[in-house]
Amino acid sequence: DAKTTQPPSMDCAEGRAANLPCNHSTISGNEYVYWYRQIHSQGPQYIIHGLKNNETNEMASLIITEDRKSSTLILPHATLRDTAVYYCIVQTGANNLFFGTGTRLTVIP
Amino acid sequence: SQTIHQWPATLVQPVGSPLSLECTVEGTSNPNLYWYRQAAGRGLQLLFYSVGIGQISSEVPQNLSASRPQDRQFILSSKKLLLSDSGFYLCAWIRDGYYGYTFGSGTRLTVV
Repeated sequence: DAKTTQPPSMDCAEGRAANLPCNHSTISGNEYVYWYRQIHSQGPQYIIHGLKNNETNEMASLIITEDRKSSTLILPHATLRDTAVYYCIVQTGANNLFFGTGTRLTVIP
Repeated sequence: SQTIHQWPATLVQPVGSPLSLECTVEGTSNPNLYWYRQAAGRGLQLLFYSVGIGQISSEVPQNLSASRPQDRQFILSSKKLLLSDSGFYLCAWIRDGYYGYTFGSGTRLTVV
């Protein structure tokens, strides 16, 4: 499975959109992009996933570039409760997710 | 509904003592089950996964072992804990092939 690169930390003002980037330049054609987040001392929580097309759900939007080498997770109106570590992962099979260290997002009042 | 239970939430154990962490899943059958460990300030490391009863795959050699005695039960064990075994242990299962993993609430293990 491909590895990903994320900035270690980001700040976002409360109420503004948080845009979290992820590079996955070695992604292969059948690998999905998944995003999870982990609030302190809890297990990671699934947010969204996609293959080629942009995706949106009640939590976030996922924008995947046409070449699929990068993606952006968008939290449209960040709240203080969105402060967490966000992980971008690419995978095909069900095993061995590689989470890395993610991006620590801090939402500022 | 489908849920995952993991206990205990926190555990402090002396070096050399045994360990048993339990994870159970409800509302599904024949899930793929996983044990991850997260050291302080680090990413998640896959330790074991299981695709069925009695079937265990180990990702890294270590002082730990896993067992799956029942379809929806996954146990992480150690005969003698080391200081380096301290960390946040997470059990997970996969809902289906395309909707990601569901994680338990985790066990914070401190070996003293």
